[in-house]
Amino acid sequence: AIQLTQSPSSLSASVGDRVTISCRASQGIFNALAWYQQKPGIAPQLLICDASSLQSGVPSRFSGSGSGTDFTLTISSLQPEDFATYYCQQSFDYPLTFGGGTKVEIK
Amino acid sequence: QVQVVESGGGVVQPGGSLRLSCAASGFTFRSSAMHWVRQSPGKGLEWVAAISSDGNNIYYADSVRGRFTISRDNHDNTLILQMNSLRPEDTAVYHCAREEMATIAFDFWGQGTLVIVSS
Repeated sequence: AIQLTQSPSSLSASVGDRVTISCRASQGIFNALAWYQQKPGIAPQLLICDASSLQSGVPSRFSGSGSGTDFTLTISSLQPEDFATYYCQQSFDYPLTFGGGTKVEIK
Repeated sequence: QVQVVESGGGVVQPGGSLRLSCAASGFTFRSSAMHWVRQSPGKGLEWVAAISSDGNNIYYADSVRGRFTISRDNHDNTLILQMNSLRPEDTAVYHCAREEMATIAFDFWGQGTLVIVSS
């Protein structure tokens, strides 16, 4: 199975900060990567698919980049509602796998 | 609007069985592949199983293969997960999720149903 390693596992940031989260795949997956946001007690929300395609309704401060094995989720200016846990997921092959998550906390 | 609502969770002893259901509405269910994804308390997300729109292609995580069965009823707009030989490590919230049209990502999720496997 393809393993996804996210880093960092958690970070503290302030409103207005630029935040980057990394996701590394154990083998090349082209651009077959999605990013999700999850808040406590709520189901995950799809933010980005195909590494960089923003889902409809997702604020433009979110962006994704990368291909092959290295991917990045960037929040250009962190807002109060962005404090949450973020997960990457590979859509290249079964079994589908998720990264371990990155918790973004208020500094 | 798109809705998927899970039911059927509960407390079961190790070795027992449960049948989870997911009722879908607000979209053409028969045209969408569907998945089950679980999340153990305080832990991350784990994909469990997938079924194609017509039910002909099915995939499982290694951790559940041979114990869980995914199925669907396109007349009733219902997704099913039959779980047998349950283990304590199967304890989790089980989410039903719709597959996005162009890629194998999950664009709509239910709130989930909690399964607790404990003696």
